[in-house]
Amino acid sequence: EAGVVQSPRYKIIEKKQPVAFWCNPISGHNTLYWYLQNLGQGPELLIRYENEEAVDDSQLPKDRFSAERLKGVDSTLKIQPAELGDSAVYLCASSLGGETDTQYFGPGTRLTVL
Amino acid sequence: DAKTTQPPSMDCAEGRAANLPCNHSTISGNEYVYWYRQIHSQGPQYIIHGLKNNETNEMASLIITEDRKSSTLILPHATLRDTAVYYCIVSGTGKLIFGQGTTLQVKP
Repeated sequence: EAGVVQSPRYKIIEKKQPVAFWCNPISGHNTLYWYLQNLGQGPELLIRYENEEAVDDSQLPKDRFSAERLKGVDSTLKIQPAELGDSAVYLCASSLGGETDTQYFGPGTRLTVL
Repeated sequence: DAKTTQPPSMDCAEGRAANLPCNHSTISGNEYVYWYRQIHSQGPQYIIHGLKNNETNEMASLIITEDRKSSTLILPHATLRDTAVYYCIVSGTGKLIFGQGTTLQVKP
């Protein structure tokens, strides 16, 4: 079974440029998560989708970050414009959903903003 | 969700059991204990979870104290590939709040 797929794996951009990350969850997983991980820290939840609905986006900085999950499968996370402090690893995870939900993580996209 | 306390780092000899402790003294009755690990440059990986009873799977064992205020993750025969950051998370909603975890270094 294929795991969570993310692309690109690495991205280097200059500040003020836009950037987008793509995630393909495990087949059949209705719940999709985007996390941000700063160096030396644990991942922090940005947004959670149940199918195509964003059910928890309280930690998403909405002035520059946006996300979508069209058709309840793939998802895209966008930053526009990027700032130096956005340099981090962006992780996508998916799960079947439910109270004791096991989340399966992708390898992440490492973003460097110059 | 209850907070957890883990030692920042631990060492273990290859082939020996690695016992990773976690304190969660404010855990409530409906909250589960989850363990994930993150190997360098990879996404976190689910290991095991439990509510009250001890649990075992192909990766590890989870021992939860009777009062549920602490738990121990046991890797029975640690290998070099088990070197990673191990996160203990308590949640009743499935939402994961990661702390800084324990960096386990398995040494030859």
